[in-house]
Amino acid sequence: DSGVTQTPKHLITATGQRVTLRCSPRSGDLSVYWYQQSLDQGLQFLIQYYNGEERAKGNILERFSAQQFPDLHSELNLSSLELGDSALYFCASSRDRSSYNEQFFGPGTRLTVL
Amino acid sequence: AQSVTQLGSHVSVSEGALVLLRCNYSSSVPPYLFWYVQYPNQGLQLLLKYTTGATLVKGINGFEAEFKKSETSFHLTKPSAHMSDAAEYFCAVRGGSGGYQKVTFGIGTKLQVIP
Repeated sequence: DSGVTQTPKHLITATGQRVTLRCSPRSGDLSVYWYQQSLDQGLQFLIQYYNGEERAKGNILERFSAQQFPDLHSELNLSSLELGDSALYFCASSRDRSSYNEQFFGPGTRLTVL
Repeated sequence: AQSVTQLGSHVSVSEGALVLLRCNYSSSVPPYLFWYVQYPNQGLQLLLKYTTGATLVKGINGFEAEFKKSETSFHLTKPSAHMSDAAEYFCAVRGGSGGYQKVTFGIGTKLQVIP
C-alpha cells in the first residue's frame, strides 16, 4: 500500500459526458502528479501540482483540467469524453516539488467510455 | 527534450536465469533515471533510481542497474529470476531546464518468468 488513494476504482460512462477523478496523496506529500496509461500510448504524464499550484504540464488535453485543494487532495476533471479517453488514470505523490524524488503511485482509476 | 527507449516490450526468462531489461535514454542535461515496476492491477512502485554519484545502483528485490553515460544506457538486471518478478517494468528519465519537472516513461517491458 503506497498510501495514495484514488476513487473511484472503476468508472464507466458515455461519450460526451464529464467525470471527476479524485486523489488523496500520502500524508505529508505536497506534490501530486496525474498520469494516463493506455495500451497504445503507454504511461503519459499529464500534470503536476505542488502545494495547490500547477507546477508542470505534460500531454494534457484542453478538455482535461485538474486542481489541488488546500487539504492537498487533487481532482482530475475530464469533459466531452471520447472513446479514446478510455484508460487507466494514475495519481502519484511525492514529498516536494522535485520529480526526481520517488513518486508513490495510487492504484489507479480505470475509465471506460462507451 | 528527454526520452527513453525500452528494447523489447515482452521478455521471457526461466526461473533462476538472469534478468536483463534494456533501457536507453536521451537527455539534453545530466539525467536522473528511474526503474519502476507495476504488478498486475496495481500502481507503479519505484525499484531504483540514479541521480548522481555511483553509477551502479542497487534497488529493491535484488535488482540493480548501471548508468553508462557513453552508451546512454540504464539497463536493469537481476542475477536470478523469481516467479514473483513477473510484472511490467518501466524505465523513466527526468531532466530539463527552467524548473521543468517532467518525468518521461518508456513504453514498458512485460517480464514473464517461466517455471
